[in-house]
Amino acid sequence: DQQVKQNSPSLSVQEGRISILNCDYTNSMFDYFLWYKKYPAEGPTFLISISSIKDKNEDGRFTVFLNKSAKHLSLHIVPSQPGDSAVYFCAASLDDKIIFGKGTRLHILP
Amino acid sequence: NAGVMQNPRHLVRRRGQEARLRCSPMKGHSHVYWYRQLPEEGLKFMVYLQKENIIDESGMPKERFSAEFPKEGPSILRIQQVVRGDSAAYFCASSSARLSGITDTQYFGPGTRLTVL
Repeated sequence: DQQVKQNSPSLSVQEGRISILNCDYTNSMFDYFLWYKKYPAEGPTFLISISSIKDKNEDGRFTVFLNKSAKHLSLHIVPSQPGDSAVYFCAASLDDKIIFGKGTRLHILP
Repeated sequence: NAGVMQNPRHLVRRRGQEARLRCSPMKGHSHVYWYRQLPEEGLKFMVYLQKENIIDESGMPKERFSAEFPKEGPSILRIQQVVRGDSAAYFCASSSARLSGITDTQYFGPGTRLTVL
């Protein structure tokens, strides 16, 4: 039973353009949503989070949008850079747990 | 300031052997979490520990798996009598506070890749 869903296994975006990664969730009790970035053979690194009471959070090139009525969030990266090529995990926190989606592999094309 | 350390990075075991995975949290962090990532899957929560206490083990398989975080030394995830299905990447994370009412977050180690032959 997937509580956090990332329906796109992969995404290719031209360098300099906007990357939009999407995530859906089912549990309305989640209190925070997070995005992690993961390179091969490394652990996930925290990128950005958003409280469930907010609808937008911005940090440099990264912006996360939350639509609670649709149970949907998205991560925007603009402009996309070659170093952004990685797997991006959407995650949600509930009590002491973080629940992860399966990830989306982002390829930034030259 | 060293990050979360995990060792070994790669571990090969034959079926029936024991696997011991170690995790040293970031300095000042007393909360440790273990996750498992199967191929092509996301990370799945296994267990949450504080020093000498298991807080939440709802993600741990009922048999063969155990975890501890002693007063001194690293946290240990122990898998007894390993089977092929245990082959996965095991990640440890640490935080300085509980996640409820989060302003902190979890910092992940590089993972241990367990291969069961």
